Amino acid sequence: KAGVTQTPRYLIKTRGQQVTLSCSPISGHRSVSWYQQTPGQGLQFLFEYFSETQRNKGNFPGRFSGRQFSNSRSEMNVSTLELGDSALYLCASSLVGAAYEQYFGPGTRLTVT
Amino acid sequence: DAKTTQPPSMDCAEGRAANLPCNHSTISGNEYVYWYRQIHSQGPQYIIHGLKNNETNEMASLIITEDRKSSTLILPHATLRDTAVYYCIVRVPRDNYGQNFVFGPGTRLSVLP
Repeated sequence: KAGVTQTPRYLIKTRGQQVTLSCSPISGHRSVSWYQQTPGQGLQFLFEYFSETQRNKGNFPGRFSGRQFSNSRSEMNVSTLELGDSALYLCASSLVGAAYEQYFGPGTRLTVT
Repeated sequence: DAKTTQPPSMDCAEGRAANLPCNHSTISGNEYVYWYRQIHSQGPQYIIHGLKNNETNEMASLIITEDRKSSTLILPHATLRDTAVYYCIVRVPRDNYGQNFVFGPGTRLSVLP
């Protein structure tokens, strides 16, 4: 079974631009979560989607948004990029059910210049 | 979710068992213990999780103390490829509120030749 895939793997953007990252979950997984990882803050939860609805959200500004499609694929968008948005963005998927583990993709490395 | 405490770093000789401790003294009765690891610049990899009983899979064993206030992840025969940051996470199953994991700084395990 294929794992979680994320595209693109690497991205360089300029301050003020916007960016869209894509995530395809493991087949059959309907919950998709996004995380940001930086050297200073570590791994931080952004938001989680299930059945095209955002169920849970971390403490990030409104410039960070996401959506999920009917096939469970998800995208996240960051508008008006800042230098501090440079990070590894990770997507994770899981089965629906309280104790299920999440499986992570390889991440998208975003560099803002 | 209960907080966890892990040593910041550990060394282990190749071929020997690596025993990674985690303290979760404030754990409640319905919280699970999860272990993930992250090899440099890759997405976190799920290892194992448990509630009360000890668990074993092809990657590792999880030993949870009877009072559930601490646990140990055991890699029975560590290899150089096990060098990674290991995260211990305690989490309440709450599917109706969505899935997210809170990652602390973890333990940096270095497997030495």
